[in-house]
Amino acid sequence: GAVVSQHPSRVICKSGTSVKIECRSLDFQATTMFWYRQFPKQSLMLMATSNEGSKATYEQGVEKDKFLINHASLTLSTLTVTSAHPEDSSFYICSALGHLNTEAFFGQGTRLTVV
Amino acid sequence: GEDVEQSLFLSVREGDSSVINCTYTDSSSTYLYWYKQEPGAGLQLLTYIFSNMDMKQDQRLTVLLNKKDKHLSLRIADTQTGDSAIYFCAESSSNTGKLIFGQGTTLQVKP
Repeated sequence: GAVVSQHPSRVICKSGTSVKIECRSLDFQATTMFWYRQFPKQSLMLMATSNEGSKATYEQGVEKDKFLINHASLTLSTLTVTSAHPEDSSFYICSALGHLNTEAFFGQGTRLTVV
Repeated sequence: GEDVEQSLFLSVREGDSSVINCTYTDSSSTYLYWYKQEPGAGLQLLTYIFSNMDMKQDQRLTVLLNKKDKHLSLRIADTQTGDSAIYFCAESSSNTGKLIFGQGTTLQVKP
C-alpha cells in the first residue's frame, strides 16, 4: 500500500507554545488529507479535511484558529496546534486519500504532550 | 449522524479463530474498513469491502457484510499473538474518504 509519513512521532511542548505536525504522502499525490485526534483508549475523531490549494473544512466543535491546517502541495499537509494547552495533549493522526478514493492511508501518528 | 459500534474487548487463545463485530447506522455507506492499531502506532489498513459485496477473504482474514442488518464482521483464522492489537471498523460514504470509526475492539491473544 501507499506510504504516509507523519513527523514528529512524539513531541513535548510547553503551554502557550505552538507545535507543527507534518503529514507527507511519500509515493503518491494526495489532494485530500484528513486529520484525526485520538484520546487514550478511544476512537479516532475527525478534526478536519484538508484539500490541496484550498481552506480546510473543520468538523463541528473544532476550533479552526487553534488547529491551523495548511495543504500547500499534493504531498504535504501540516497541522499547527497554536497556543497549546495540556488538554490538547493527544495522539494526532493524519491520513491521505489514495487516487482511487477508496483507501485512506494513515500516518504513524504524533503523540503530543503539553506540559 | 452516522454511528459505528463495536464491542470493546475480545480474548482468544492462540490458534483459535477471532470474530470481531461491528454495526453501523449509515445506510449510504459505500465502503467499510478494518484497521489494526498496535500500541503507540498509527493505523494499518487490513482490508475493506464495498457495500455491494457480502464477503471478502484475504489469507487469514474474512470479512462478512450483512447490509440489511448493517452488520460487519472480521474473522481472523489461526489467531497469533502478533494479532494482539486494537481493531477499528470504519465506514465511509460518497467516496469522500472521510471515515467514521468505531470505538475499537481490543483483541487479546493468549498463548
